[in-house]
Amino acid sequence: KAGVTQTPRYLIKTRGQQVTLSCSPISGHRSVSWYQQTPGQGLQFLFEYFSETQRNKGNFPGRFSGRQFSNSRSEMNVSTLELGDSALYLCASSLQEGGYTFGSGTRLTVV
Amino acid sequence: GENVEQHPSTLSVQEGDSAVIKCTYSDSASNYFPWYKQELGKGPQLIIDIRSNVGEKKDQRIAVTLNKTAKHFSLHITETQPEDSAVYFCAASRSAGGTSYGKLTFGQGTILTVHP
Repeated sequence: KAGVTQTPRYLIKTRGQQVTLSCSPISGHRSVSWYQQTPGQGLQFLFEYFSETQRNKGNFPGRFSGRQFSNSRSEMNVSTLELGDSALYLCASSLQEGGYTFGSGTRLTVV
Repeated sequence: GENVEQHPSTLSVQEGDSAVIKCTYSDSASNYFPWYKQELGKGPQLIIDIRSNVGEKKDQRIAVTLNKTAKHFSLHITETQPEDSAVYFCAASRSAGGTSYGKLTFGQGTILTVHP
């Protein structure tokens, strides 16, 4: 079966712009989490959605937001991009608690 | 909040040797501990996980042990092969009531290199 699909794979944006990243979970998975990965900070939790509701949120500024649709697909948005937002953004989905499967990520570069 | 410390940051072994990576966590309420392998250009891949009601779990050449009292858990890879070379991450989270396992706190990662 298909894995977690993230689009786009690569993105280059200018400071001040906004960006939307998309994640399609494995079919049947209702929980979707987002993580930011950087060389300096490692893997950091952004937020988690379950049945269209945000269930957990990490310590990121309000510029980072997300949502989940009724088909479990999820999007995350970053507004007013800063250079420090350059990172690999990873989405993970799960059928049940635990056992999160990650996508290959979206590489965001802010210039 | 939860804090996860992972050691060593780099590990170099000869093919066929064993590799051990250790993690400690701070939140005694954590009850789910997965290990992920990340290869270049890919997302983390779940290789094994353990829940707090189990002390040890094995899957072929990979095993994980958990010591709840000491709040540490370890990944053991036996008979290492060059294709085991990757970055390995430990993580911890907790589930209680409506809160899920979805908020994983990761260690900083271990770069494992297996020399042929």
